[in-house]
Amino acid sequence: EDQVTQSPEALRLQEGESSSLNCSYTVSGLRGLFWYRQDPGKGPEFLFTLYSAGEEKEKERLKATLTKKESFLHITAPKPEDSATYLCAVHNAGGTSYGKLTFGQGTILTVHP
Amino acid sequence: DGGITQSPKYLFRKEGQNVTLSCEQNLNHDAMYWYRQDPGQGLRLIYYSQIVNDFQKGDIAEGYSVSREKKESFPLTVTSAQKNPTAFYLCASSVRVSGTEAFFGQGTRLTVV
Repeated sequence: EDQVTQSPEALRLQEGESSSLNCSYTVSGLRGLFWYRQDPGKGPEFLFTLYSAGEEKEKERLKATLTKKESFLHITAPKPEDSATYLCAVHNAGGTSYGKLTFGQGTILTVHP
Repeated sequence: DGGITQSPKYLFRKEGQNVTLSCEQNLNHDAMYWYRQDPGQGLRLIYYSQIVNDFQKGDIAEGYSVSREKKESFPLTVTSAQKNPTAFYLCASSVRVSGTEAFFGQGTRLTVV
């Protein structure tokens, strides 16, 4: 069974204090790892797709990296507007899980001014 | 503008009633998904569809039904058999079922009264 575990559950940062969010996954046939941002009462907003170990993607203050077992979302010099829940998901191409998009529980990020 | 439209945004249901949540996309995507989100929990997959006239059960399909008669539309019916239907429901679509990012609608909040 596919599993996606995100840590920490919640993270509080001061503005400008860089940190990382972790996404550990177990999947039989990874066909993509995805990061999303979700604001309260809204649908998730797509951020990044990673396909293979060693791949990196960047967008403004965010950088996503991928290894064979986990992904990190690095946040550099965060601002209060970066406060949100960050979700990680994996797409499985193997066996009975083909086509399923499985999500982690999310990390709630709060950035204080 | 291309995107995914969910309606209504808020829905109230009396116990014992069936309700249908609408999801329409104009992105020409083959794959569509329905997720349920409860406070403190991750997104849980209800149903997904790889192509018109085909759909598969996700992890929590009991008490729900779907149809995929048109590429653009993937309505979800919450039946009276669903014991705890109060939740935030999210619809998503992706170019294909494997390896491509999914884009989400803004969600429907269903409350049983």
